[in-house]
Amino acid sequence: EAQVTQNPRYLITVTGKKLTVTCSQNMNHEYMSWYRQDPGLGLRQIYYSMNVEVTDKGDVPEGYKVSRKEKRNFPLILESPSPNQTSLYFCASRARMDTQYFGPGTRLTVL
Amino acid sequence: DQQVKQNSPSLSVQEGRISILNCDYTNSMFDYFLWYKKYPAEGPTFLISISSIKDKNEDGRFTVFLNKSAKHLSLHIVPSQPGDSAVYFCAASEIDTDKLIFGTGTRLQVFP
Repeated sequence: EAQVTQNPRYLITVTGKKLTVTCSQNMNHEYMSWYRQDPGLGLRQIYYSMNVEVTDKGDVPEGYKVSRKEKRNFPLILESPSPNQTSLYFCASRARMDTQYFGPGTRLTVL
Repeated sequence: DQQVKQNSPSLSVQEGRISILNCDYTNSMFDYFLWYKKYPAEGPTFLISISSIKDKNEDGRFTVFLNKSAKHLSLHIVPSQPGDSAVYFCAASEIDTDKLIFGTGTRLQVFP
């Protein structure tokens, strides 16, 4: 089954404790992205990657890092999480000139 | 500055009637537009799209209309069904970029 998977689905952590949210897709897509969804703000792109070892900032990259060492994986790293990063996070992937497929989401709470 | 705007945060429609969700954009470089549907505890799923060379695209009960001069698009659902109750996001992009700009979403409730 074609899908985008994210782990963990739910995470509660404390300020400053480094964390990684994993994202994996099995569709051999070149493009992958991370978004955050906040009330009243919709979905905002954090980072995206057009291929292995190629990443670029989206609209709200501050406080986040990503890497794309393999085509299928695109982890989101929060080196020092802060409460304003409490949000619902979605990973997405797509083939060139195709629509995006989203993962199920990761709900992160930073205390 | 919000480049893609959905000014109605919610919409309530009776089953069987038409639902019309609206979206406005400001960037004239956008040339591809999409609608996504999102249920609670799930990721958004693609619904329908339209490129700027068209003014209408239809897929079953769903039709998207694009008015480029007004920088406005709308999604029509006819007839509306209770299973259509969800949050609908409008999104826009420039062709061959991965940058999708989303609106803030409209929560549609279809009641019996």
